[in-house]
Amino acid sequence: QAQLVQSGAEVKKPGASFKVSCKASGYSLVTHGLTWVRQAPGQGLEWMGWTTAYSGKTNYAEKFQGRVTMTTDTSTNTAYMELRSLRSDDTAVYYCARDQGYRLGLDTWGQGTLVTVSS
Amino acid sequence: QSVLTQPPSLSGAPGQRVTISCTGTGSNIGAHYDVHWYQQVPGVAPKLLIFGFTNRPSGVPDRFSGSNSGTSASLGISGLQAADEADYYCQSYDISLGGWVFGGGTKLTVL
Repeated sequence: QAQLVQSGAEVKKPGASFKVSCKASGYSLVTHGLTWVRQAPGQGLEWMGWTTAYSGKTNYAEKFQGRVTMTTDTSTNTAYMELRSLRSDDTAVYYCARDQGYRLGLDTWGQGTLVTVSS
Repeated sequence: QSVLTQPPSLSGAPGQRVTISCTGTGSNIGAHYDVHWYQQVPGVAPKLLIFGFTNRPSGVPDRFSGSNSGTSASLGISGLQAADEADYYCQSYDISLGGWVFGGGTKLTVL
């Protein structure tokens, strides 16, 4: 049974960066893509980008281009998402999700990681 | 402003049927990209409810159904239960944006 477990909550100052981990079990990150989604307090879901460990390819939402990096450590079956130059409106819960493609959607989600950006 | 448009809120009495709409454009649903639906209880990660417009993952009751027409899709919930009170999001792929897009979410209240 596929499962994604994310790292714990973080508090960061404006201008800093954070890196969330997402450890997969029950399947290999090499065989499936991984999408990152965030949700600001009281708001909807926002797609940040997608990565595949199979080729190392990434596809970032234009809004985050230049500030985000998504990587995968295949030896530990763990994905990472780093966001830099943080602003207060980056305060959100960040989710990783197994991406099954256009026809099947996001079928397995991590529990979410709350990142608070505050001075 | 979300790319996919959903009603912000909806309510229904226990046992009733409700329908949540999701309206897109020619660069997503209208471009024949599938729509998926997620259920999110407050404080919990979203859960895939319907994929490929009409398909239910294993374990999702058949009270939940999906349909599509042109540039829109709908999620139907019949026999409403208190446990159905949650936020519901539609999702599709947008060829112009080159990635996933979500609806703004619909808060379902069971009266």
